[in-house]
Amino acid sequence: DGGITQSPKYLFRKEGQNVTLSCEQNLNHDAMYWYRQDPGQGLRLIYYSQIVNDFQKGDIAEGYSVSREKKESFPLTVTSAQKNPTAFYLCASSTEGLAVYEQYFGPGTRLTVT
Amino acid sequence: AQTVTQSQPEMSVQEAETVTLSCTYDTSESNYYLFWYKQPPSRQMILVIRQEAYKQQNATENRFSVNFQKAAKSFSLKISDSQLGDTAMYFCAFFVPNTGNQFYFGTGTSLTVIP
Repeated sequence: DGGITQSPKYLFRKEGQNVTLSCEQNLNHDAMYWYRQDPGQGLRLIYYSQIVNDFQKGDIAEGYSVSREKKESFPLTVTSAQKNPTAFYLCASSTEGLAVYEQYFGPGTRLTVT
Repeated sequence: AQTVTQSQPEMSVQEAETVTLSCTYDTSESNYYLFWYKQPPSRQMILVIRQEAYKQQNATENRFSVNFQKAAKSFSLKISDSQLGDTAMYFCAFFVPNTGNQFYFGTGTSLTVIP
């Protein structure tokens, strides 16, 4: 089945450690996105990528980094510079095929940093 | 700047009744797409309904329908015959093509369906 996978579902790290969240899609979508979701808030855009080897900062990119070496993969690294990394992270992809602009989401990763 | 406002943080509805969730947005663009997403307790985001701004007819998907008022920049979601499985967070979002490919989300409305 086509879709987006994020692993792991739950992730625990010690403060000061970098951690990488995985996002893979087999939908052949060009664009991929990373969002952060905190309680009582909507989705805040961290980074997005429209094509391979290109990505743009979103509203809250500080303390995060990404890469887009393959169309299917868009990993997110939460660095030790991110002051409050504990959150729920959602990966999404979208296509402009047939002018149907719609985002498909992965199941999310809950990151807890202590 | 593109913004989305959902002014109802929490709502509840009796099972089998109808409820309307509000959403307003702000953009200077004329071509855009509007969405309602549902996030149940599993936290998986699911597309509920989509509306193209150039279409005057309101979108419907089974028990879900929208009231799209382009001049007022309003995009409300009506859920008819509410079911327990409708309990979820609902996010309004919109997308403007060719302006950076960003989707803009509201802060969400938490809907509880009461048996």
